Amino acid sequence: AQSVAQPEDQVNVAEGNPLTVKCTYSVSGNPYLFWYVQYPNRGLQFLLKYITGDNLVKGSYGFEAEFNKSQTSFHLKKPSALVSDSALYFCAVRDPRSYNTDKLIFGTGTRLQVFP
Amino acid sequence: DVKVTQSSRYLVKRTGEKVFLECVQDMDHENMFWYRQDPGLGLRLIYFSYDVKMKEKGDIPEGYSVSREKKERFSLILESASTNQTSMYLCASSMDSYYGYTFGSGTRLTVV
Repeated sequence: AQSVAQPEDQVNVAEGNPLTVKCTYSVSGNPYLFWYVQYPNRGLQFLLKYITGDNLVKGSYGFEAEFNKSQTSFHLKKPSALVSDSALYFCAVRDPRSYNTDKLIFGTGTRLQVFP
Repeated sequence: DVKVTQSSRYLVKRTGEKVFLECVQDMDHENMFWYRQDPGLGLRLIYFSYDVKMKEKGDIPEGYSVSREKKERFSLILESASTNQTSMYLCASSMDSYYGYTFGSGTRLTVV
């Protein structure tokens, strides 16, 4: 069964420092991987995705993520954190072989807190 | 840009009431989804739909039903609301998961 794990409930980082939010996945075959961000009392917003190609994917707001097939990871990164990046981040995965179940499975979320 | 609109941001309902949560998307997407979001549990899929009048159960369908009479509208129904259905409900639509999902702003439902 496909699954995605976000091992950290919360990540704290000082403004200006690099940040990493971790995500690992378990699917058969090549995955579709996504990161979403949720600000308070809002829906989720798409940040970036990996489908195929370059393992380093760049997305919105200066975020990027690195697909690592051998470690089955898709960690979200940003070189210099901003206080405004403080939000809840969700990793999601789809098994592309699940042709009749076009669903994304979401992780439990990681709260990012950036301190001034 | 695709817009997904959920009719209510906040709702307070009484135990036993029948509750309707409405979701409308304006981009002719085939796929629509209802999730509930609870702290520490992430997003859990309640129901989804691939086309008009088509619906499939997600991971936690008990106590819920859905209706999709028109392509743009996907309604979630709580047949008899209970306090354990107090949650944030998120609607999403997609053309194909290759493109990811577009989410509505969510409805925070409180059942008292």
